[in-house]
Amino acid sequence: QVQLQESGPGLVKPSETLSLTCTVSGGSISDNYWSWIRQPAGKGLEWIGHIFPGGSTNYNPSLKSRVTMSVDTSKTQFSLKLNSVTAADTAIYYCARDHNTGRYFDFWGQGTLVTVAS
Amino acid sequence: DIVMTQSPDSLAVSLGERATISCKSSQSVLYSSNDKNFLAWYQQKPGQPPKVLIYWASTREFGVPDRFSGSGSGTDFTLTISSLQAEDVAVYYCQQYYDTPYTFGQGTKLEIK
Repeated sequence: QVQLQESGPGLVKPSETLSLTCTVSGGSISDNYWSWIRQPAGKGLEWIGHIFPGGSTNYNPSLKSRVTMSVDTSKTQFSLKLNSVTAADTAIYYCARDHNTGRYFDFWGQGTLVTVAS
Repeated sequence: DIVMTQSPDSLAVSLGERATISCKSSQSVLYSSNDKNFLAWYQQKPGQPPKVLIYWASTREFGVPDRFSGSGSGTDFTLTISSLQAEDVAVYYCQQYYDTPYTFGQGTKLEIK
């Protein structure tokens, strides 16, 4: 059974960079796209983007100028960096696996709350 | 972006009764070459990540009870819970994966009447 676990700081100052890592266990990281999705408290879900271990990325245009994703297959981890954060970036951040044959999300991490505040 | 609109925003149904949630997309999510609708449904309970229930608009994920079913094609989709159980209280989301950016509906909160 594939498991995902997010890690990273829970508090980031405005204008700084949010950095999160997702560790994958129980399966290969090499054969799927891996996504980041966020959810402000009490609100809906926003897809941030995804990465394939070969290096291919696709970011949501609404965040594209501030997002960078990377993957480390040796550690079975993938990462998110979001720069120039504001309070509007405060949310629960989930990592998730894109299913192979369709880009729905079949495995999710538990999520990590990131608060942007000084 | 493909905009996904769910209705209603909230719904209260008696135990054992049918619950129906609608999802409409701003453009078709039916891929003509394989005749598949790129539409999924998720269930999210408080403090938990979303869980996929249905994909390809009508295929139930392994382990999902058969009281959950999905239907529809093109731009109009429905999630039906045939006989509501207490454990079905949650927020339900539809998601299109036809095109990036992948987008979700705003969610429908399902409660017990």
